[in-house]
Amino acid sequence: KAGVTQTPRYLIKTRGQQVTLSCSPISGHRSVSWYQQTPGQGLQFLFEYFSETQRNKGNFPGRFSGRQFSNSRSEMNVSTLELGDSALYLCASSKRSGSGLEQYFGPGTRLTVT
Amino acid sequence: AQSVTQPDIHITVSEGASLELRCNYSYGATPYLFWYVQSPGQGLQLLLKYFSGDTLVQGIKGFEAEFKRSQSSFNLRKPSVHWSDAAEYFCAVGAETGRRALTFGSGTRLQVQP
Repeated sequence: KAGVTQTPRYLIKTRGQQVTLSCSPISGHRSVSWYQQTPGQGLQFLFEYFSETQRNKGNFPGRFSGRQFSNSRSEMNVSTLELGDSALYLCASSKRSGSGLEQYFGPGTRLTVT
Repeated sequence: AQSVTQPDIHITVSEGASLELRCNYSYGATPYLFWYVQSPGQGLQLLLKYFSGDTLVQGIKGFEAEFKRSQSSFNLRKPSVHWSDAAEYFCAVGAETGRRALTFGSGTRLQVQP
């Protein structure tokens, strides 16, 4: 079974621009969560989507948003990029039912803001 | 609010030696606990999980972890470390079913000496 895929793997943007990252979950998984990983703050939860609805949100400004499509694929968008948004953005998918509490992570998208 | 503490930022062990990585959590109810491993430039790979039942859980790559409620701990162990185990290890706690907002520890970087 194919794992979680994220595109693009690397991205360089300029301050003030916006960016969209994509995540395709494992087949059959309907929940997608996003995390930000930085050396200073570590791994932090951004938000979770299930059935095209945001179910949980972390403590991030409104510049960070996301959506989920009917095929469970998800995108996250960051508007008005700041230098501090440079990070590895990880997507994780899970079944979200029964024993499917564990999350499986993709390889991440490395975003560099200059 | 839930939290995870990994007291050891960096650990060095010799190949073939045993390993124990510490994890302490703070959570009011029964926690869902996970250990993930991250190799450089990679995403997170799930090593093992604890939801309920037997407090000693087995994972992939020869790892095991023991849940001790009285100590709020979930330490990861391996009897004999291989050079390929060098990576960063993250302990995480999840809330009750329906919430996928994992809280991660700051990680422990494992170095393996030949």
